[in-house]
Amino acid sequence: GNSVTQMEGPVTLSEEAFLTINCTYTATGYPSLFWYVQYPGEGLQLLLKATKADDKGSNKGFEATYRKETTSFHLEKGSVQVSDSAVYFCALSGSAGGTSYGKLTFGQGTILTVHP
Amino acid sequence: DGGITQSPKYLFRKEGQNVTLSCEQNLNHDAMYWYRQDPGQGLRLIYYSQIVNDFQKGDIAEGYSVSREKKESFPLTVTSAQKNPTAFYLCASSPRQGESYNSPLHFGNGTRLTVT
Repeated sequence: GNSVTQMEGPVTLSEEAFLTINCTYTATGYPSLFWYVQYPGEGLQLLLKATKADDKGSNKGFEATYRKETTSFHLEKGSVQVSDSAVYFCALSGSAGGTSYGKLTFGQGTILTVHP
Repeated sequence: DGGITQSPKYLFRKEGQNVTLSCEQNLNHDAMYWYRQDPGQGLRLIYYSQIVNDFQKGDIAEGYSVSREKKESFPLTVTSAQKNPTAFYLCASSPRQGESYNSPLHFGNGTRLTVT
């Protein structure tokens, strides 16, 4: 079945540092890939998405590129802020015709803390 | 503003009691989902519904039940058969996946259930 693996956390950075959170996946067909962010005490919000190979999703300075050859969707940001402190989840949706159609599979989440 | 409302935010129950978590959406979405979040384990799908009066088991449905009598509402009952019910529960919705299988999920702010 489908699965998503994220890098172990927590990740602690200083403000303006470069961020990478690794995400790799296993899936059949051509899934769509997502990054969600969860701030303390809240639900998840969509951060960015990519629907086909070589697509780059971007939002609020965050970027991730759908790499089918390496089955990866790593999240990057060039200069993090204290307000970026949150939990980040990588996820994939089952592709049409598969048994996971219409469902999201999530990674375990990576806690990011940014210090001033 | 459209969105998903989960209530209550915090819920406390004694072991052996059934408890129902509320989820209401006014986004006119056909599909609704229940996820459970535990520390270090990401989100796991409990039940989902693509249309009124129809729902399917997710990956961890044992000890849970749902109903979908109205498009706007998808309540989750945590029964006494659930062995480890203390967790953070998230409800989500999306347009019907058959129309756009890469549609992101919209999440509520969650209900934290504690069973003692």
